[in-house]
Parts: sequence; C-alpha cells; structure tokens
Amino acid sequence: SQQGEEDPQALSIQEGENATMNCSYKTSINNLQWYRQNSGRGLVHLILIRSNEREKHSGRLRVTLDTSKKSSSLLITASRAADTASYFCATDADNDMRFGAGTRLTVKP
Amino acid sequence: EAQVTQNPRYLITVTGKKLTVTCSQNMNHEYMSWYRQDPGLGLRQIYYSMNVEVTDKGDVPEGYKVSRKEKRNFPLILESPSPNQTSLYFCASSSRGENIQYFGAGTRLSVL
Repeated sequence: SQQGEEDPQALSIQEGENATMNCSYKTSINNLQWYRQNSGRGLVHLILIRSNEREKHSGRLRVTLDTSKKSSSLLITASRAADTASYFCATDADNDMRFGAGTRLTVKP
Repeated sequence: EAQVTQNPRYLITVTGKKLTVTCSQNMNHEYMSWYRQDPGLGLRQIYYSMNVEVTDKGDVPEGYKVSRKEKRNFPLILESPSPNQTSLYFCASSSRGENIQYFGAGTRLSVL
C-alpha cells in the first residue's frame, strides 16, 4: 500500500515562479526522499532528508520535514520549463520503501 | 557508468505466454526491487531482494516470480501473464544504508 500521498496531484505554473509540493505519510520513517520522473522514464533521486533533519537544500530545491505532522514539502525555486515532470516522495522505514502517487508539475515557458 | 539495465524496453504479448524481464545493475548493490506503475496508483512494489538468494514479496506479488542467483541480476518472471498485468515496470537497486534507489529506464508491457 502507498505510504506517501502527494498534494496537489497536478500543478501548473509559469517559468520563474516557485513550485511547492507536499507529501504526507502515515508511519515512522528513517528518511524521506524525493524523486523526479520525466514522462515514462525511470525515476531519478533528487534529495534525501533524514528523520532527525528539518530542512535541506540542494541547488534550487528545498525540502522540509515535520515528523510530528508526518509531512514533507518540496520547493523548487525559479522554475524552468525543464522542471516539467512528475515528482514523487518516498518514505524509507527499515528498507521498506513506499512511494506516493506523485505530483505532475507543468512549467510553462 | 553506474546504471540499472532492463530488457526489453517494450513488450507486447498474449495471455498465458510466459515471459521474463531482465534487470542488471553494475553498482554492486545488495538491494534490488521491482515496481509496477499504473496511472493514479504511483509505484507499487512487486518483489524485493536484500541479497543473493534472499527474496521477499512486496505489495502486489500475485502473478509474478523473481530470482536472485547473482548479485547483479534480478529477473522478473510472469509465468502466465494476464491483461491486468499490463503496466510500466521498473527495476531498482540500492546499497544498504540510506537506500537511495537507482532505477532502470522501464519496461512497458502490454498483455493482450
């Protein structure tokens, strides 16, 4: 069964705007990861945040984790048309990986 | 180059005709898994393997078999495919520790 649930299911923004995606999960985790998938291709790992971390940055990506609310958010700043893809959160609990259904992001040029 | 290789990339078959999707990784990863992706359902784990000769069921194992005779290979076997197994399949591998998954390019399977 799915662990993570992303919100929104779809997001459409203009180039240059920020995109925020949220993920909620149900059980305790070791870490939470975000992946990106271009249409029909394999998922690519973006960033990992451990359960004892609250915020992490990587380039234009900012991830937050609130274990008390069992939620995470992914912020992509200054979006580009090339950021158009589906984004998935995945929770890891003792090597039990669970993926959400994803957020489909469209960045219009 | 570090990679996970799946073959074939596309496959059309008929109900009941046994097929195997191969998966190979060159990163010496202990952990390998198979997922299927269906619209609106995200990725669901079919089977996973923590190491050679160790395999376990994921969330949707019915109708599938796997084997892990060598560390690098983790084939997915459909003994008698049915139309409800039409899907996009991904193999992934990771090392122990932080469990960052490396995915293959996917196999799009259609069972008629």
